[in-house]
Amino acid sequence: DGGITQSPKYLFRKEGQNVTLSCEQNLNHDAMYWYRQDPGQGLRLIYYSQIVNDFQKGDIAEGYSVSREKKESFPLTVTSAQKNPTAFYLCASRGRGRYEQYFGPGTRLTVT
Amino acid sequence: AQTVTQSQPEMSVQEAETVTLSCTYDTSESDYYLFWYKQPPSRQMILVIRQEAYKQQNATENRFSVNFQKAAKSFSLKISDSQLGDAAMYFCAYRIPQGGATNKLIFGTGTLLAVQP
Repeated sequence: DGGITQSPKYLFRKEGQNVTLSCEQNLNHDAMYWYRQDPGQGLRLIYYSQIVNDFQKGDIAEGYSVSREKKESFPLTVTSAQKNPTAFYLCASRGRGRYEQYFGPGTRLTVT
Repeated sequence: AQTVTQSQPEMSVQEAETVTLSCTYDTSESDYYLFWYKQPPSRQMILVIRQEAYKQQNATENRFSVNFQKAAKSFSLKISDSQLGDAAMYFCAYRIPQGGATNKLIFGTGTLLAVQP
């Protein structure tokens, strides 16, 4: 089955620790995205990548970092510099020449 | 800056009835794409329907259809014969046209739809 997987579904960390969220897709999509969702708000773009070894900051990139070493994978690291890291994180991908994005199941990160 | 507004935080519909969710957007572009995504309690975002701005015909996907009014910058979603499984948060989204180099989606704040049996 083709799709996007995110792991883990729930993640708990102590304040001051970096944490990496996984996103893998087997759709052969070129572009991948990371969004953050907070209660009462829509999704906000953190980082995106249109090809391997290239990525760009989105609207709220501060305190986050990414890598794109493989087409299938786009991990997101939430660093200790992110002031309010507790949120729901969604990864998405888009095929070349397509306009719609497809989403993974998300990871709920709780930092205490 | 482009914005997407969903003015109905919550809606309710009886099973088998029809409901319309509203969305307006602000843009100076003439070519763009609009989407409705559904987020059920599982929280996975599911694409419901999309509309290309250059197409006059309203998009339809089974029980889901849109009313796209380009001049009014309005993009409402109509759900016919509502089912219990339609209960979810619905997000309207706008895609920045090519040239913005991101194909970024801009989302509204969502409408929570409840379906009453």
